[in-house]
Amino acid sequence: GAGVSQTPSNKVTEKGKYVELRCDPISGHTALYWYRQSLGQGPEFLIYFQGTGAADDSGLPNDRFFAVRPEGSVSTLKIQRTERGDSAVYLCASSADSGTSGYNEQFFGPGTRLTVL
Amino acid sequence: KNQVEQSPQSLIILEGKNCTLQCNYTVSPFSNLRWYKQDTGRGPVSLTIMTFSENTKSNGRYTATLDADTKQSSLHITASQLSDSASYICVVSARGGSYIPTFGRGTSLIVHP
Repeated sequence: GAGVSQTPSNKVTEKGKYVELRCDPISGHTALYWYRQSLGQGPEFLIYFQGTGAADDSGLPNDRFFAVRPEGSVSTLKIQRTERGDSAVYLCASSADSGTSGYNEQFFGPGTRLTVL
Repeated sequence: KNQVEQSPQSLIILEGKNCTLQCNYTVSPFSNLRWYKQDTGRGPVSLTIMTFSENTKSNGRYTATLDADTKQSSLHITASQLSDSASYICVVSARGGSYIPTFGRGTSLIVHP
């Protein structure tokens, strides 16, 4: 694939349910980021992976949110006991290497629109 | 606290007209600033990146400026087209330490025929 892909594109669930959102980064990109974007807002950082490990998860709002990247490629964002306030677009981005200056461009996927009823 | 403020929040212009979007930041120490374009229902796409030593950079009809002293950047769009309708997001990265850039809330631009 040429770019970052995310599945599903849309997810509607009921309050209290569990959801998984998947991100396929650009092949070879070691850095992977998850963001959440509400209508009319910029992306809000959730978690950053360097390889398989979560290097920074300070943006996760609470312990209902968890993300994994077991083989250093595909990542899954998991949300337990979903709440209506979790409704947003969840964006994934990857870059060749985060470095220490952020020069490497982050390439974004199209996002998953999550609606919690 | 690192912050990025963008103005205006939204803008409506006629096709063919020019416009300028503003970005003020407090990110320190400064590394670079990117302008992203986000079409509705899509992820953001980088338009330009500017480092400390750069004052202006163009990408087609898009021209970004940077004043690192006043911590301000602008994105100028020349001869707007309908396809320019999108959200434009200013993103600033710090040098060393945090790998996480700071995002602005974006300016929503609508170009009318």
